[in-house]
Amino acid sequence: QQPVQSPQAVILREGEDAVINCSSSKALYSVHWYRQKHGEAPVFLMILLKGGEQKGHEKISASFNEKKQQSSLYLTASQLSYSGTYFCGTAREYGNKLVFGAGTILRVKS
Amino acid sequence: DTEVTQTPKHLVMGMTNKKSLKCEQHMGHRAMYWYKQKAKKPPELMFVYSYEKLSINESVPSRFSPECPNSSLLNLHLHALQPEDSALYLCASSQPGQRPFTQYFGPGTRLTVL
Repeated sequence: QQPVQSPQAVILREGEDAVINCSSSKALYSVHWYRQKHGEAPVFLMILLKGGEQKGHEKISASFNEKKQQSSLYLTASQLSYSGTYFCGTAREYGNKLVFGAGTILRVKS
Repeated sequence: DTEVTQTPKHLVMGMTNKKSLKCEQHMGHRAMYWYKQKAKKPPELMFVYSYEKLSINESVPSRFSPECPNSSLLNLHLHALQPEDSALYLCASSQPGQRPFTQYFGPGTRLTVL
């Protein structure tokens, strides 16, 4: 079952912050975040496992609320290079299968 | 090295042609994947190979035929495709049994079916 991402699109100015959410109606084992630029492969950002972990990667961090089955990706002090489509991929059990959300288009303007 | 390579980058084929997409990784991963991605849509899983055995087939039409000749190579054989099969085909790999099984994607092959 496809997770639901929100918002569908967001436009920021450099230096502004953004939050992207990923929700599931089913219990999740893990949430995987990727960024894809136009015409390129999805690039792995981070994984969140059930247990409410919060992970960080430079100015990008994420959390996973197991009670709500929701993950949030936080982008702080956005840079032009952050532009792209962000996908969350969810796994309902330990294994190989990921189901991706519809994506959130992020555009950072100077 | 977290690189997955795919060839060709672009492929144009007619509906009666037979062609193959190739994927290679040298990360020692033992799980490999084929995804299909239409424009402005998320990647959709097609096949998963784990330890060179097909473990997941997401009800993909038989005109797509995957093959895993060894642990670092993955092929997708194409035959009698339809124009609606035009898409970006992504290959990915991961290490099964190694939590939390991060998948690394290749750059994709952009396929156009005429």
